[in-house]
Amino acid sequence: GAGVSQSPSNKVTEKGKDVELRCDPISGHTALYWYRQSLGQGLEFLIYFQGNSAPDKSGLPSDRFSAERTGGSVSTLTIQRTQQEDSAVYLCASSLELDWGRNSPLHFGNGTRLTVT
Amino acid sequence: AQRVTQPEKLLSVFKGAPVELKCNYSYSGSPELFWYVQYSRQRLQLLLRHISRESIKGFTADLNKGETSFHLKKPFAQEEDSAMYYCALSKNSGGSNYKLTFGKGTLLTVNP
Repeated sequence: GAGVSQSPSNKVTEKGKDVELRCDPISGHTALYWYRQSLGQGLEFLIYFQGNSAPDKSGLPSDRFSAERTGGSVSTLTIQRTQQEDSAVYLCASSLELDWGRNSPLHFGNGTRLTVT
Repeated sequence: AQRVTQPEKLLSVFKGAPVELKCNYSYSGSPELFWYVQYSRQRLQLLLRHISRESIKGFTADLNKGETSFHLKKPFAQEEDSAMYYCALSKNSGGSNYKLTFGKGTLLTVNP
């Protein structure tokens, strides 16, 4: 079956512009994560959606970052007024909730490489 | 708060040598630990999890609660093991707050 799909795969934007990154999780996966991967910083947690619970937004670096998950499926990460330090690979992952509220391992997408010029 | 520390950003070994990638964690409860791997031009993927107590591609990792460590080991490294390795932790207390926290990763290079 299809894995986690992210689009676009590459995005180059000018400083100050807004960007939208999309994630299609694996069908039936209730948990969805956004991470940012950059050299020297490793894998940085951004936001986590789990079923109908309120999302955990504790990793968003500033109020320029926001994310939505519509209908418990597709998610969009929006970065407003992009800055050069936002340049990174943005990874989406999903997982299936097992019994007792635990999740199965994460399935990652290929990521969106964002370059802010 | 939960935290994962991978003290080595880079690790280089020769083919056939033993390799150990270090991971230490900080969490007051009962954690669940994982190792994820990303090979060149591939997706990040699960390598192994401590509750499975399995060996994958010759790698093993033992959870040491006394030392709060979950080091990844392989007795004889192969060139194809060259990749970025991430240690990760999640709470193991049920409920809906299951957030996976990753370390900063270790780039392993196995030289011929």
